[in-house]
Amino acid sequence: QSALTQPASVSGSPGQSITIPCTGGSSDVGSYNLVSWYQQHPGKAPKLMIYEGSKRPSGVSNRFSGSRSGNTASLTISGLQAEDEADYYCFSYAGDRAFFGGGTKLTVL
Amino acid sequence: QVQLVESGGGVVQPGKSLRLSCAASGFSFSSYVLHWVRQAPGKGLEWVALISSDDGANRYYADSVKGRFTISRDTSENTLYLQMNSLRTEDTAVYYCARDVLRYLEWNGMDVWGQGTTVTVS
Repeated sequence: QSALTQPASVSGSPGQSITIPCTGGSSDVGSYNLVSWYQQHPGKAPKLMIYEGSKRPSGVSNRFSGSRSGNTASLTISGLQAEDEADYYCFSYAGDRAFFGGGTKLTVL
Repeated sequence: QVQLVESGGGVVQPGKSLRLSCAASGFSFSSYVLHWVRQAPGKGLEWVALISSDDGANRYYADSVKGRFTISRDTSENTLYLQMNSLRTEDTAVYYCARDVLRYLEWNGMDVWGQGTTVTVS
């Protein structure tokens, strides 16, 4: 049972912006700025897109950004491109353990 | 080239044991926190375990595997392990090893992943 809630799916047209929320609680997202986001294409290993809530690893496009407000973290993708179509997962530290969100399937229309 | 390569997956009967390995190369193995993450067929990602850097003194587990799985590391071999005992059908998954993004620090994010190894409990 995931402690982090994500919408099952989101969609957008090329060039548009979308936001994927990740809702946790006061024992995880709300207490620690240790949320990371991952992109996963079918049959591939996950790829780190955002760490420590809002930092981008080297090589990740600046179209990807992360933020946090209260118990909810968010991933925003601007200027949607076809190759952004994938599954996206949030991940948060929660004391002496951690959880992934259930995942969100992004469809680029 | 920074790389993690898992091995040791296979088909195993319920109640049996299996040990997964993850060979690291291209970076200072002892300096990084390491994780195991799994993904059941058609399902999402599930964090399994974390081991701290250096001597691996700190180890954390998901409730679903606590008491059955043991994470360990061998700095002399640059290898991460996951000993899995009392396996259940629900442990069937692709198992990934992953490296934490910042040296010595835990829980910041996983920037290097292996290709995964498949465990089937049946």
